[in-house]
Amino acid sequence: AQTVTQSQPEMSVQEAETVTLSCTYDTSESDYYLFWYKQPPSRQMILVIRQEAYKQQNATENRFSVNFQKAAKSFSLKISDSQLGDAAMYFCAYRSAVTTGTASKLTFGTGTRLQVTL
Amino acid sequence: KAGVTQTPRYLIKTRGQQVTLSCSPISGHRSVSWYQQTPGQGLQFLFEYFSETQRNKGNFPGRFSGRQFSNSRSEMNVSTLELGDSALYLCASTYLAGVHNEQFFGPGTRLTVL
Repeated sequence: AQTVTQSQPEMSVQEAETVTLSCTYDTSESDYYLFWYKQPPSRQMILVIRQEAYKQQNATENRFSVNFQKAAKSFSLKISDSQLGDAAMYFCAYRSAVTTGTASKLTFGTGTRLQVTL
Repeated sequence: KAGVTQTPRYLIKTRGQQVTLSCSPISGHRSVSWYQQTPGQGLQFLFEYFSETQRNKGNFPGRFSGRQFSNSRSEMNVSTLELGDSALYLCASTYLAGVHNEQFFGPGTRLTVL
């Protein structure tokens, strides 16, 4: 079974600064997807960024980028130029690339609560 | 395009009762997954439905069940409620069951069991 670990329960960043959220995972599969989801206090889970394991290039979405280290099974999220609206719970998630059975199941980490201060 | 909707948003029940939660996926999405979110256990996968068939089930007791209708709307039912069932229940829809599609989440139903 796959596991996802987020070792930082809480993080704080000043507005306009950069913060990195950590995530490690464990799997025996070679093909999979990794995601970062954001859950603001309103509770709606939003996809921030995704990474396909077979792609060596790190994914980037505007101010959000990842550092994907497949051998180390590490998948960190970097938020640049932090904004007050970035304050939320951030979840790292894993999904198998197998096309049958558990393909759509997301396995989540425990989350990191990000505070953004002025 | 309207997002995933879940009803009701909030629900209070007492132990021993049963409850039914509803999820309407994004139009055209045929796969619906359910997750339970609690402070202690985090986000846990309950089950997934695709074309009215349960494709995948998480490690939950048989008191948790679900179904999907021909219009892709899904319901989940919890019978004989326990205090530990208090949670935020999230529904997510996907255009096609499989690996190349993003899951879009609804706002959740907050269930409180007294």
